[in-house]
Amino acid sequence: QSALTQPASVSGSPGQSITISCTGTSSDVGSYNLVSWYQQHPGKAPKLMIYEVSKRPSGVSNRFSGSKSGNTASLTISGLQAEDEADYYCCSYAGSSTYVVFGGGTKLTVL
Amino acid sequence: QVQLVQSGAEVKKPGSSVKVSCKASGGTFSSYAISWVRQAPGQGLEWMGGIIPIFGTANYAQKFQGRVTITTDESTSTAYMELSSLRSEDTAVYYCAIWFGELLEYNWFDPWGQGTLVTVSS
Repeated sequence: QSALTQPASVSGSPGQSITISCTGTSSDVGSYNLVSWYQQHPGKAPKLMIYEVSKRPSGVSNRFSGSKSGNTASLTISGLQAEDEADYYCCSYAGSSTYVVFGGGTKLTVL
Repeated sequence: QVQLVQSGAEVKKPGSSVKVSCKASGGTFSSYAISWVRQAPGQGLEWMGGIIPIFGTANYAQKFQGRVTITTDESTSTAYMELSSLRSEDTAVYYCAIWFGELLEYNWFDPWGQGTLVTVSS
């Protein structure tokens, strides 16, 4: 069982927006603005999409955005495209002994 | 832009050890923190541990304490992850990644190596 809880799957049609939630506790997500999100296509390595809750690395589309409220972080993808179909993982800092914890992953299907 | 290239796939017997390498290019290796993350078939990501230059020693997830050793060789810009007492449940793709954070709160990973499949089977 993963430390952070994500929905197993979400889906949306091209052009629509979807949001993936990531629920932790007051020991991780709730205590730090240090949530990151990764996109993983089948057979490929994960790719950083969002860090520190809402920052986008250079080269990542502005269709991807992140936010946090309390113990829950969210990744929103607007203007869905076929290439967005992938697995998405959240990750949170959890203190200097645990360091980081991951969510179980969410499979995004673009209908 | 730093790139990470990992060693090739391994097949190991239960009870043995495996050592996976991760060679960095295009950056100042000595300044980077490096983590290892694994992914069992069809499963999610699992942080194993990492090494932060300012500390000089590695930090490990409690689950892997005593079984994993993460080291670096600055002369070759290579990081290593050795996992011992292998069992079938250790069959997974193992990734290295550059580990970032501010004020020693290391928390995000970019970029990642291509992954190394380790299969544990008798």
